[in-house]
Amino acid sequence: QVRLVQSGTDLKKPGASVKVSCKASGFSFSKFSFTWVRQARGQGLEWMGWISAYNGNAKYAQKLQGRVTMTTDTSTGTAYMELRSLTSDDTAMYFCGRGGEIPDYWGQGTLVTVSS
Amino acid sequence: SSELTQDPAVSVALGQTVRITCQGDSLRGYFANWYQQKPGQAPVLVIYGKNNRPSGIPDRFSGSSSGNTASLTITGAQAEDEADYYCHSRDSSGYFFGGGTKLSVL
Repeated sequence: QVRLVQSGTDLKKPGASVKVSCKASGFSFSKFSFTWVRQARGQGLEWMGWISAYNGNAKYAQKLQGRVTMTTDTSTGTAYMELRSLTSDDTAMYFCGRGGEIPDYWGQGTLVTVSS
Repeated sequence: SSELTQDPAVSVALGQTVRITCQGDSLRGYFANWYQQKPGQAPVLVIYGKNNRPSGIPDRFSGSSSGNTASLTITGAQAEDEADYYCHSRDSSGYFFGGGTKLSVL
């Protein structure tokens, strides 16, 4: 069955970077794109961007341009999202989803807390 | 503009029909997808494209669209349908979500 398993909770200081992983199984990894969204506590979903595991092409939300990088490793079937120059506003649950246009399966989420 | 507007909260009596709407200019050119999210859980895709249900989604969920408005209809709402619902669409600059609608089943 399709599974996306994300890395665990992370605590970072302001100004640091975080890299969240999303390990896929149960389907052909390189045939899909992967979407990343985040959700601050009590808030709605925010689209961050997506990356094609087929060719590595990525598209990011304008507000995150220059701070976010999404990558994939087809040898391990893992997608990654790195966010730099963290502030308290980046404290949120981060989700990876399978698919770019229509994410249909999601990981369990990774809580990233930014605090001094 | 890349904005999707949803009512913050909607309620429905058990077994009745409810429509959750999503408005935005981008919907004149693109379909909306709909996600259900329960507290502490990841989103679940319930409707995509014109009116398609993923495997395992009950047929009481349906989607429609007219002009700049997309709608998710639940016909015969059940207690387990109480959740937040988000529309999701795109424009030339990327993808985005509506602000979400909290559905209460009374």
